[in-house]
Amino acid sequence: GQNIDQPTEMTATEGAIVQINCTYQTSGFNGLFWYQQHAGEAPTFLSYNVLDGLEEKGRFSSFLSRSKGYSYLLLKELQMKDSASYLCAVKDSNYQLIWGAGTKLIIKP
Amino acid sequence: GAVVSQHPSWVICKSGTSVKIECRSLDFQATTMFWYRQFPKQSLMLMATSNEGSKATYEQGVEKDKFLINHASLTLSTLTVTSAHPEDSSFYICSASPGTGENTEAFFGQGTRLTVV
Repeated sequence: GQNIDQPTEMTATEGAIVQINCTYQTSGFNGLFWYQQHAGEAPTFLSYNVLDGLEEKGRFSSFLSRSKGYSYLLLKELQMKDSASYLCAVKDSNYQLIWGAGTKLIIKP
Repeated sequence: GAVVSQHPSWVICKSGTSVKIECRSLDFQATTMFWYRQFPKQSLMLMATSNEGSKATYEQGVEKDKFLINHASLTLSTLTVTSAHPEDSSFYICSASPGTGENTEAFFGQGTRLTVV
């Protein structure tokens, strides 16, 4: 079956750095997405990786290793507004998005 | 980025009634739209894939006679929850993409919070 694993919850301090990991086992791979979702709202797109390596976008970076079936989202200079759930999703061989359960990130002052 | 509009953003209905949720792609045409359901503290669960001009494809365990999907145009898909019951209370979200390629991101509607009393 298809499976995407992420930690359920993480806590970090304002101003610090946090890394959210995602491992996947899917039938085919056509890219990995990270989305941010605040409670009661729809997910918003953060990043996309299809090749191995690091993609940097401001305070957020995303890394992919296809051979390991592994990705992480790195958030720097954490702000209180970064408190949200972070969803990892993979496009499988049918270009269908398979979603992880999400990681709830709690930022403390 | 592309815009997907979903309406209503929240609705309260009585048990046994039906509720229609609309999903529109405002600045692009979408031959395919996706309907998700999300229970509290859980992940997005794909309910069905809505195909313009043809029948929707439902995921295993989703009752097609209860969750009616109509994709009548390239910019509009509707989800009707028929004979709603309290266990149908959930957050319903639609998504669409301007293309189907590997790097085409999904754009989401605002979501609809359905409460059945």
